[in-house]
This record gives sequence, C-alpha cells and structure tokens, in this order.
Amino acid sequence: AQKITQTQPGMFVQEKEAVTLDCTYDTSDQSYGLFWYKQPSSGEMIFLIYQGSYDEQNATEGRYSLNFQKARKSANLVISASQLGDSAMYFCAMREALGTSYGKLTFGQGTILTVHP
Amino acid sequence: NAGVTQTPKFRILKIGQSMTLQCTQDMNHNYMYWYRQDPGMGLKLIYYSVGAGITDKGEVPNGYNVSRSTTEDFPLRLELAAPSQTSVYFCASSLLQETNTEAFFGQGTRLTVV
Repeated sequence: AQKITQTQPGMFVQEKEAVTLDCTYDTSDQSYGLFWYKQPSSGEMIFLIYQGSYDEQNATEGRYSLNFQKARKSANLVISASQLGDSAMYFCAMREALGTSYGKLTFGQGTILTVHP
Repeated sequence: NAGVTQTPKFRILKIGQSMTLQCTQDMNHNYMYWYRQDPGMGLKLIYYSVGAGITDKGEVPNGYNVSRSTTEDFPLRLELAAPSQTSVYFCASSLLQETNTEAFFGQGTRLTVV
C-alpha cells in the first residue's frame, strides 16, 4: 500500500505568491516523522522541514511551513512569497518509529513546482 | 565535513556486468539507505540498514545486494545488470534517536545499462 501520496504531479505559481503542495500519508503507528525535501534540477536532495507526529504546533522554517492535520493524515507544505529559485521537484517523506517499518524512510512521487515571473 | 559520499558519479554498464556503488558517511549515523530514482519519478527504497551487520529490504530489492560491515560504509552491489536498472541511485544516512532527524543524501550515481 502506498505510504505517501502526492496527488499533484505539477504545480504552477506566480512569483511572490504562496503555494501549497499536498501530501497524505498512511500509517498505523502513533510515532512517526514527516519530512519535505527539495530537489532542484541539479539533482541534490535538500532537507526543508520536519513535523513530528506528537508536535502540537505546525512546523515553520523561514518561508516554509507545514500544515499538519493529523486526523486527516495530511502534511501539506506551504511556501510563502515564492521565488524563481523555488522551481524544483518537492518530495514528502515519512519515517515510522515502530513495528516492522522501524526506521524506514519512504518518499512520495513528488510534485514539480514551477514559479513564473 | 564530507557528509555522505557516493562513488562513482556516473557509470555505463553493459547488460550482464556487475558493479558496486560505494557509499560512505563520516557522521557516525546508524541508519543508511539506498534509493533509486527513475526519470521524473520519486525515490524508491532498495535496501536500508539500521546499523552494522543489520540490513533489510525496501520496496525494490530484486537485482541488488547490500552489506554493512562498518558504521561508515554501505555498498550496493548490482549483479547481472539489466536495462531496467538504469536510474539515479542515492545513498542517504541519518542518526535515528527519535523520528525527527533528517536524512542526509549523497550527490547520486547516474547509472546507465546498455
């Protein structure tokens, strides 16, 4: 079963506007972590933001924030004030802390974000 | 601080050849991972390791083998290369104390099987 689902293959946003990238996940664990990574055209993987399953507040890192809705099992990434340099592939990932998937880090299919000037 | 180092960066293999993709990290991380990324797609987990001497299969282990004899090194072995193994391979590592430690990635190895 798909653990991480990103339903938006591609997204477009105007420079300086905000954009939300969707991510839903599936786990029966109570303890898990959710991550977002950015992959620019150069190919490297850049860590953006983390949300723990027990964190009561949504994570924020500069222009990135994570809209965490635990009951809906969603962890959407919000990028505010988009910049041309934000154009990249974005991946949502989950690491489970218990059970047979202990420590396994699973990625979604990715969303290509294009920022227009 | 080198982080996660993968070698080689590029490689062309002929069908049926074998090779080892090297991965080493200098951060004393207990967890290490191998992923493959096909063009325009996400990362699929091949194998992962929770520590020296312990490895487990991911989503797509067929055609690959791994070993973890030291904390630092996690080589990925391809036996009898096939065109379907043409991909970009990423090694990653993390220090798992709780769930909140991100994985650090190597620069990737672009492999073409012809």
